[in-house]
Amino acid sequence: AQSVSQHNHHVILSEAASLELGCNYSYGGTVNLFWYVQYPGQHLQLLLKYFSGDPLVKGIKGFEAEFIKSKFSFNLRKPSVQWSDTAEYFCAVSLFYNQGGKLIFGQGTELSVKP
Amino acid sequence: KAGVTQTPRYLIKTRGQQVTLSCSPISGHRSVSWYQQTPGQGLQFLFEYFSETQRNKGNFPGRFSGRQFSNSRSEMNVSTLELGDSALYLCASSTGTSGGNEQYFGPGTRLTVT
Repeated sequence: AQSVSQHNHHVILSEAASLELGCNYSYGGTVNLFWYVQYPGQHLQLLLKYFSGDPLVKGIKGFEAEFIKSKFSFNLRKPSVQWSDTAEYFCAVSLFYNQGGKLIFGQGTELSVKP
Repeated sequence: KAGVTQTPRYLIKTRGQQVTLSCSPISGHRSVSWYQQTPGQGLQFLFEYFSETQRNKGNFPGRFSGRQFSNSRSEMNVSTLELGDSALYLCASSTGTSGGNEQYFGPGTRLTVT
């Protein structure tokens, strides 16, 4: 069965530190990749997505992610985090043949940014 | 455009009862997907409806069912509730017409089973 693995359960950083959250998936076919964020008390929001083309994608709020097909990875990065980035981050995959209707999520990474 | 709306936002039910949750997608979106979010299992896919037909299905028992109406609004039903059904139920909508469209999530319905 397809699965998504996020490397870190809880990450604690100080403001201005750099962030990298790991995500790996297991599926050999064509996939679409997403990072979603859930701020405290708010609903899931799309940070960025990869469908095809340039493997380095930029999202909202200064986030970016790199798709490395050979490593089945889609890691999320931000050069300098802010206190307002405190949230839970989810990596998700949809299989192309599912037409995007089924997202397989990782377990989530809780990010705490200390002011 | 208005976002995805879900009603009710909070629900308390007793074991053995049944419950119906409602989701209104973003205008123009024809696909509605449902997810269950729990601290232990994370976000798990329940099913997807597109043009009133179930197009994808997750690994949940038959007590979990859904439907979609001609205006794309969707409902999910859980019968014979169990304590383990306590969760946040999320609905997401998308255009559903290509292999890579993104899903937009609603605020969820928090179901507590006592």
